[in-house]
Amino acid sequence: QKEVEQDPGPLSVPEGAIVSLNCTYSNSAFQYFMWYRQYSRKGPELLMYTYSSGNKEDGRFTAQVDKSSKYISLFIRDSQPSDSATYLCAMRLTGGGNKLTFGTGTQLKVEL
Amino acid sequence: GAGVSQTPSNKVTEKGKYVELRCDPISGHTALYWYRQSLGQGPEFLIYFQGTGAADDSGLPNDRFFAVRPEGSVSTLKIQRTERGDSAVYLCASSSGGAAYNSPLHFGNGTRLTVT
Repeated sequence: QKEVEQDPGPLSVPEGAIVSLNCTYSNSAFQYFMWYRQYSRKGPELLMYTYSSGNKEDGRFTAQVDKSSKYISLFIRDSQPSDSATYLCAMRLTGGGNKLTFGTGTQLKVEL
Repeated sequence: GAGVSQTPSNKVTEKGKYVELRCDPISGHTALYWYRQSLGQGPEFLIYFQGTGAADDSGLPNDRFFAVRPEGSVSTLKIQRTERGDSAVYLCASSSGGAAYNSPLHFGNGTRLTVT
């Protein structure tokens, strides 16, 4: 079993929909949680960064962390075709540098 | 400003050959990371430099893989006796802080290595 599980999709939604992306993890020592967006043939780009449990909002994006359930989510409101990409969750322990453990990524397509 | 630059963007090599992959981090970033991303997978950690020294090389799969950062800036990932299973995208990332800081990683676009 992988430390971080993420449904690979693909997930297809109409423009304007609310998108929900999720990851579960097994290591309760993870403290920092991130969501990256990766366009085809590009490097991952950081979207959201959260420490421990709670919610964080940035524009159309909301990240949620539930450490008791070992479950993290990313919500995208008013989705746009330009949001079509692969979304990777990532997490790390306290200390030890940015040694991130990534999920497999969920491929999202937002259709006109 | 300039982001993380990786060269070459694509590399095709024959099984058994030696390859070098180069990473130019963002200027002033002290931490540099190498990750490997196989098709349909998330990136996997390989090695992390803080300055010139490898702070954590626990992700290197075997002794055919080696990385250096002699002057604390540019880094080279070296793979000896390449195998077809080494085919992947090799991603480099840099950040401004060390282990104690929550500075985000900035990734390059990777080198796509194909071993035939």
